[in-house]
Amino acid sequence: QITLKESGPTLVKPTQTLTLTCTFSGFSLTTTAVGVGWIRQPPGKALEWLAVIYWNDDKRYSPSLKSRLTITKDTSKNQVVLTVTNMDPVDTATYYCAHERAARPYDYWGQGTLVTVSS
Amino acid sequence: SYELTQPPSVSVSPGQTASITCSGDKLGDKYACWYQQKPGQSPVLVIYQDTKRPSGIPERFSGSNSGNTATLTISGTQAMDEADYYCQAWDSSSYVFGTGTKVTVL
Repeated sequence: QITLKESGPTLVKPTQTLTLTCTFSGFSLTTTAVGVGWIRQPPGKALEWLAVIYWNDDKRYSPSLKSRLTITKDTSKNQVVLTVTNMDPVDTATYYCAHERAARPYDYWGQGTLVTVSS
Repeated sequence: SYELTQPPSVSVSPGQTASITCSGDKLGDKYACWYQQKPGQSPVLVIYQDTKRPSGIPERFSGSNSGNTATLTISGTQAMDEADYYCQAWDSSSYVFGTGTKVTVL
């Protein structure tokens, strides 16, 4: 049974760096073709893809946010961490992590965590 | 950057067929997938690799992809299908989501 859960601060101030952790179970990020991605959704708006990391440490980022994003994995802890620098109120959103396997993107999702950016 | 465009809304009567389009440059050359999202819930994958249904997804959900347009079709639409739907594709080295379509079952 695959599960994922996001954790991190619910409130950050403008210009601060956001660090989110995705803790998962039921699969391993050492298995070929497995990946974990991050997606966000501002209140009332569409999904926006942010980044993905694969079993072989290949990392891909949204072109529009690439300069602000870093994704890493800790396979011993079954965790993936996303950092977003220079947070702005427009970055207020629910942030999701999700499981990907062999060209079947995002078949399992976390519950999401709402991050508000405000001074 | 690559863009996927969907109609903002689609209305359908119970039992009828709903078709949701997703348009992007040469989208037919890429794999498209579709997600259903109900209010307050995480998205659910309903179609991947253009036409495949994950286990547990009803047969009334089907997909196609050709040219510049991918289409999600819901046959015999039920009230429980009322939700937001998003397409997704991989372009160059990143994923892209569509703009989203709200399906209303009247």
